[in-house]
Amino acid sequence: NAGVMQNPRHLVRRRGQEARLRCSPMKGHSHVYWYRQLPEEGLKFMVYLQKENIIDESGMPKERFSAEFPKEGPSILRIQQVVRGDSAAYFCASSPSDRVSGNTIYFGEGSWLTVV
Amino acid sequence: GENVEQHPSTLSVQEGDSAVIKCTYSDSASNYFPWYKQELGKRPQLIIDIRSNVGEKKDQRIAVTLNKTAKHFSLHITETQPEDSAVYFCAPLSNFNKFYFGSGTKLNVKP
Repeated sequence: NAGVMQNPRHLVRRRGQEARLRCSPMKGHSHVYWYRQLPEEGLKFMVYLQKENIIDESGMPKERFSAEFPKEGPSILRIQQVVRGDSAAYFCASSPSDRVSGNTIYFGEGSWLTVV
Repeated sequence: GENVEQHPSTLSVQEGDSAVIKCTYSDSASNYFPWYKQELGKRPQLIIDIRSNVGEKKDQRIAVTLNKTAKHFSLHITETQPEDSAVYFCAPLSNFNKFYFGSGTKLNVKP
C-alpha cells in the first residue's frame, strides 16, 4: 500500500511564475489536507478537501492560492505569481474518512518550493 | 479555530534521561490527540495517539497522558536516545475535523 505521494519533491520558480504541487492520497483515502511549513516553524493548515469538494479553505491566502481534488487524479495546490515569501515546504496528508472514529492523517514527503 | 500551545519550545536532555512535552488546547470537543515526530527535512510521522475515552497510552519508551478536564495532553519519552532528537508536534483533532498543529518542541538528546 503506497503512502501519500507528492511531487515534485523540489521545485524552483522565479518570482511571478506559477507553482503546481500534486498529491495522491493513500489508497482508500478520500480526504486530503494541505499544510505549509516555513523554516524552523510549525505546520500551518491551509485547506481540507474531499473529491470534487473543498470542505474548509480557511487557511488559504485569499489571493494567488487555490486547491482542487478532482474526481480523477491527484489533488493540486496551485500558487500563481509566486513571491519569495511563498518559499516553504508544502505537505499533503490524507485520511480515510471525515471522522469521528478519529482517523489519523498520514503525510507525504513534502514539496519544497524555492522562489528565486 | 483551535488554539494549540506546546511547551517547552526547546528541550535538551542527557541520553538516558526522560523528556516530557506538554500540549494545551482550547476546543473542548476535541476527541483525538496525536503526537508527530519530524526529523530535519523529512515529513511528520505519527508516533503515538490517544482517544478521549482513555487517560494514558504507552508504547515501549513513549507514552501519552490526557487530561480532558484541564484540556492538555503530554508526551513522555523515557530512556532517551540520540535518535530521539527531532521536532515533536501535537495536533489535536478539532470538532471541525481539522488538525491544528502546535508550534513544535525541538528535542536535543546529548550523548
